[in-house]
Formats: sequence, C-alpha cells, structure tokens
Amino acid sequence: DTEVTQTPKHLVMGMTNKKSLKCEQHMGHRAMYWYKQKAKKPPELMFVYSYEKLSINESVPSRFSPECPNSSLLNLHLHALQPEDSALYLCASSQGTSGVVLDTQYFGPGTRLTVL
Amino acid sequence: SQKIEQNSEALNIQEGKTATLTCNYTNYSPAYLQWYRQDPGRGPVFLLLIRENEKEKRKERLKVTFDTTLKQSLFHITASQPADSATYLCAFNQAGTALIFGKGTTLSVSS
Repeated sequence: DTEVTQTPKHLVMGMTNKKSLKCEQHMGHRAMYWYKQKAKKPPELMFVYSYEKLSINESVPSRFSPECPNSSLLNLHLHALQPEDSALYLCASSQGTSGVVLDTQYFGPGTRLTVL
Repeated sequence: SQKIEQNSEALNIQEGKTATLTCNYTNYSPAYLQWYRQDPGRGPVFLLLIRENEKEKRKERLKVTFDTTLKQSLFHITASQPADSATYLCAFNQAGTALIFGKGTTLSVSS
C-alpha cells in the first residue's frame, strides 16, 4: 500500500467552527507532514512529525493545531479560521529513518478547505 | 536566504518534442534535488531525485541533470505526450527543515 489518504476531500466551514482534517498512511513511514497550498503557488510546509513527535512548526498560527495519535495517523485541528486560510491542505509522509531532510515524500490528494 | 527558482511559469510544446524545465537555486548548496509532478487539485507525485555527486539521472522518458557549478537542475521529458501536461515542481532540502519547493512550471503539450 503506497497511498496516503486524506479526509474529507472538501470542507466548507465558518469562522467560528471547529473541524479536523485527517490523514492516514500504512507504509510504515515515521515522518508525516502538513502543507498548505494556495492556487498557483508551491506547497508551503506547516508542520513535521518525526516518530510521532512534532519536530518542525513553521511559525503557523495557533488556530491550526496538529496531532499525531500514532505512527499511521495525522490530524490537523482547525478553529476560528480566517477566509485567507482557504487553500488545499496536503498531507505527506516519508520514511523518516535517515533524517527528514533526505526523504522522498508521498503526498495525499489533499483537502480543499473553504472558510466563509 | 535560500532561494529556489523555476524560471518559466508556463511552457507550451508540441507532442513528440522534448520539454526542458529549469530550476535554479541561490545562497545554498543542496545535497540533492527532487522533481515532482502535480496535476490540478491533486497532491504532488515524486518523479526523480538526483544527488550533488550525480551529473544525470534517467527514468523512462525523464532525465534530470544537476550542475553544482551553475547551481542549476534541468528536467527533460523526451517524446512528450499530452498526458505529460501538468505542473512540475523542483524541491531541495533546507538545513534544519524539510523540503522547500519552487513555484513550478506548468507544461502544456498539444497534439
């Protein structure tokens, strides 16, 4: 199984809502990532988990809260988002055993988030 | 700060020709470069990785070169097909963190 799955595919939420994005992989990878991608822009790294511990937080606002319950799952909890947070949110995973910077990344299909 | 640039936002070529995409980097010497393909509304898909001590890497119709003197990587698709139309992203490792991506080049192959 070389797939990273993400749910939901699409999400529309108001600025006062609380929602969560989910990501799952069964490749035995030990590093997992959240990226944000706006239209016609490259993916921007948000968070990196290595062996279920948060190793990188790229100065992301606290209204985004990541969680790694186990080595296969990664969540992104959303609260009090702004319309400018509307974007494609991508999850990725990599082997993570030789340092995350050396890894090829496997991406999920993304969640298209719209904040009204 | 480290910068990675893909010098064409868009590239249009005819089917059967070779597409050449360019990735330049400054203020850094990456140990390797990666190339990904992204289709609209989908996540990027890994294509090729080339290390600094490798001049060239091939996979089927794809070829990547890495010139550390010019600080440049070239990505070639030979005998291009309409199905190759997509956005191609180059990426490299940044010290202390994970990959950073260039803005991408959108390739359109017309039949």
